[in-house]
Amino acid sequence: DTAVSQTPKYLVTQMGNDKSIKCEQNLGHDTMYWYKQDSKKFLKIMFSYNNKELIINETVPNRFSPKSPDKAHLNLHINSLELGDSAVYFCASSPEGRDYYNEQFFGPGTRLTVL
Amino acid sequence: RKEVEQDPGPFNVPEGATVAFNCTYSNSASQSFFWYRQDCRKEPKLLMSVYSSGNEDGRFTAQLNRASQYISLLIRDSKLSDSATYLCVVNRPASGTYKYIFGTGTRLKVLA
Repeated sequence: DTAVSQTPKYLVTQMGNDKSIKCEQNLGHDTMYWYKQDSKKFLKIMFSYNNKELIINETVPNRFSPKSPDKAHLNLHINSLELGDSAVYFCASSPEGRDYYNEQFFGPGTRLTVL
Repeated sequence: RKEVEQDPGPFNVPEGATVAFNCTYSNSASQSFFWYRQDCRKEPKLLMSVYSSGNEDGRFTAQLNRASQYISLLIRDSKLSDSATYLCVVNRPASGTYKYIFGTGTRLKVLA
């Protein structure tokens, strides 16, 4: 009965590789997000999709590309991984991101380590 | 200066104590406010939304002061299980939608 799930939970890879993280929500929400939590534990939004439409695209390297095949899924593909990409990546969802009062629900996170 | 500021702590308090956290935000367009709790190596979980009139949920009370742009969280009768990082979150307009701005979090350790 997991609400927001992510795979994989841990990802260890070499610099220069390409990797993907998958996210799925079964809450029927319209809006999904990707966040990065760095080594200082600071959480920052990267992308947001509403019904498969990209609505927030923060200043992140274009090596990061989100893809939303349907409103229940939001994947994150990272090309040419760098050491600085090591972080925990959280997926989240909310009923409708364009309503200010809506709360967000987070997935368990993917801990990415780039060697 | 960060858009949402919190004292990082840690706050070390004995069981049963009352502890209060404050959070300030700089963007006056901010519309809604939340407290999340994050345990070590886990995802943030919603603790409570914060309303202008203040709201209470059991041992937890949240207050919002829009004029001074600060939010508070009061925890009464602290339990060992309250040990966690508490994240202040502000939801504000951005690019025709809203986005969460997180504070850096305040660490709480409740001691036996």
